[in-house]
Amino acid sequence: GQNIDQPTEMTATEGAIVQINCTYQTSGFNGLFWYQQHAGEAPTFLSYNVLDGLEEKGRFSSFLSRSKGYSYLLLKELQMKDSASYLCAVMDSNYQLIWGAGTKLIIKP
Amino acid sequence: IAGITQAPTSQILAAGRRMTLRCTQDMRHNAMYWYRQDLGLGLRLIHYSNTAGTTGKGEVPDGYSVSRANTDDFPLTLASAVPSQTSVYFCASSGDPGTGELFFGEGSRLTVL
Repeated sequence: GQNIDQPTEMTATEGAIVQINCTYQTSGFNGLFWYQQHAGEAPTFLSYNVLDGLEEKGRFSSFLSRSKGYSYLLLKELQMKDSASYLCAVMDSNYQLIWGAGTKLIIKP
Repeated sequence: IAGITQAPTSQILAAGRRMTLRCTQDMRHNAMYWYRQDLGLGLRLIHYSNTAGTTGKGEVPDGYSVSRANTDDFPLTLASAVPSQTSVYFCASSGDPGTGELFFGEGSRLTVL
C-alpha cells in the first residue's frame, strides 16, 4: 500500500530552527510537496521537490532523497505565525497526490 | 480575485437527506478535486475532474457524486447523507492534471446527525 509518515506534533521556540520529517512509500514518484495549513483554514502550497537535494525559499527549505524515500521541511527564524500544520504529499505514478496526516507545529515564545 | 469559492461554509444535516456542496473557481483551471479531511488522517480524494465534461473516482468515492458541466463549477452531491460523512470538505483546483500545486477553497464543514 501507499504510505506517508510524518510526526503528529512538534514544539519549537520562536526564533529557533525546526525540521519536520516525512517518509514515504508510494507506487511511483512524480514529486513531493509541502503545504501549510493554519487551524480552520485551507492548505496553501509551500514547496515542491522532484530531484534530490535542497530547495530554498526564504525562511523555508525542503530536502528530498528519493533513494531513501525521505524529505524534510526546514523552517528557520521561527515566528509565531508559523504555528500551523504542515502537510507532506507525494504524487504517485498515476499523478494523484497521496497525503500525510500532517504535523502540527506549536511555536512557543 | 476570488480564486475558489465553496458554499456552504458550514451545514448540519439530518441523515438520509440529500446535500450538494458547491465549488466555483475563476482561475480557468482545467483540473478540480474534492477532498475530505478528518482528524488524524491525510486529505483523501473523493472525486476529481481533469477537464470540463470528465470526472473520475478518487480514493473514497462511495456515497458521493460529482459533475463538471463547465470549467468553473464542480459540485459534490451526497445523495443520502450518513453520519460517517461528517467531515470538512475541501475543493481544490490546479492549472493542469498532474500538477501538484493545488489551490484550495476555504472548506465546507458538514455534520450529519
